[in-house]
Amino acid sequence: KAGVTQTPRYLIKTRGQQVTLSCSPISGHRSVSWYQQTPGQGLQFLFEYFSETQRNKGNFPGRFSGRQFSNSRSEMNVSTLELGDSALYLCASSFDPRTSNNEQFFGPGTRLTVL
Amino acid sequence: SQELEQSPQSLIVQEGKNLTINCTSSKTLYGLYWYKQKYGEGLIFLMMLQKGGEEKSHEKITAKLDEKKQQSSLHITASQPSHAGIYLCGATAVSNYQLIWGAGTKLIIKP
Repeated sequence: KAGVTQTPRYLIKTRGQQVTLSCSPISGHRSVSWYQQTPGQGLQFLFEYFSETQRNKGNFPGRFSGRQFSNSRSEMNVSTLELGDSALYLCASSFDPRTSNNEQFFGPGTRLTVL
Repeated sequence: SQELEQSPQSLIVQEGKNLTINCTSSKTLYGLYWYKQKYGEGLIFLMMLQKGGEEKSHEKITAKLDEKKQQSSLHITASQPSHAGIYLCGATAVSNYQLIWGAGTKLIIKP
């Protein structure tokens, strides 16, 4: 069974640009969560999608958005990039976090650097 | 809001020695997860604990959840270089089933 895949693995952008990151969950998983990880803030929850609907959202500005497609693949978009957006972006998939014994499986992450 | 405190922040251990990492919450935890992360990579699931007093082991790693379900510990016996990495605890916030995370413990194993 293939794991969670994220593309691209590395990305370099300049301030003001926008970026789209992609995540393909494990087959059969309908929930995809996105996280931002930085040395200073640790792992911060961005949002969770389940069956194409955003179910939960963390405390990030509106520049951060996402969507999920009918095949459960998900994308997140960051517009008007700022230097502080440089981070490792992780996505995780699971059957449904609202059920018990439902661990999340993480992708390798996308390392975004904003210059 | 519920927060998870992890201690210590970092740990340097001689190869072969035992070590313990703690994860503490001010509120009752529902679904406590332990993950390991190699620098710059994704998180690898280690164990999940749900019941008060529960204990699980995998190879040389043992995780426990106390009776009150407010503290979990991760214990590594006879540490090896392969144990090096960042250990994170996560717990389910019942209100929205969202996972909240500790800040992580960086483990270095000295040969």
